Amino acid sequence: GQNIDQPTEMTATEGAIVQINCTYQTSGFNGLFWYQQHAGEAPTFLSYNVLDGLEEKGRFSSFLSRSKGYSYLLLKELQMKDSASYLCAVRSGNTPLVFGKGTRLSVIA
Amino acid sequence: GAVVSQHPSWVICKSGTSVKIECRSLDFQATTMFWYRQFPKQSLMLMATSNEGSKATYEQGVEKDKFLINHASLTLSTLTVTSAHPEDSSFYICSEVWADTQYFGPGTRLTVL
Repeated sequence: GQNIDQPTEMTATEGAIVQINCTYQTSGFNGLFWYQQHAGEAPTFLSYNVLDGLEEKGRFSSFLSRSKGYSYLLLKELQMKDSASYLCAVRSGNTPLVFGKGTRLSVIA
Repeated sequence: GAVVSQHPSWVICKSGTSVKIECRSLDFQATTMFWYRQFPKQSLMLMATSNEGSKATYEQGVEKDKFLINHASLTLSTLTVTSAHPEDSSFYICSEVWADTQYFGPGTRLTVL
């Protein structure tokens, strides 16, 4: 099976940088995804890593280390609208994504 | 990314009735769609994989006779919750894959009284 761990909650200040970590255990790893989910809404795609290294996309970056079973999502220049849950998800082979429980980020002034 | 719609956005029904949720792929033909369920403050849990023209594949613990899935066309998959009970109240979300990435519909919030 798969096991995905991420912190339950985090708080950060507007304008700051925050790093949300995710560790996973899976066989047949075929990609790690990050999604943003605002309360009461469906997840929206943020990033996808299948090879080791850093993927940068504007204020958001995602890092992957396959040997360590580790990823992080980095959010820069935090804005109040970034308050949401951030979901780490892993794909094995061609199976549908399996999600972690999500990290609820609160951005405060 | 892919555009997925769901209908209805929310529904309230009485215990014992059936509810149908539609998921449409708006910009390409999806042979496979996924149905997830999310309880408050919990993770998205995969319920089943919907395959166009064939039977759905259900995850362990999901009753196929209670959650009927039909994928009759390449752009439409439906999930029918039969004989709904209050414990079925949840957020139901469909998803499709485009360019190696899963995209989600806006979700349907079901409340069973």
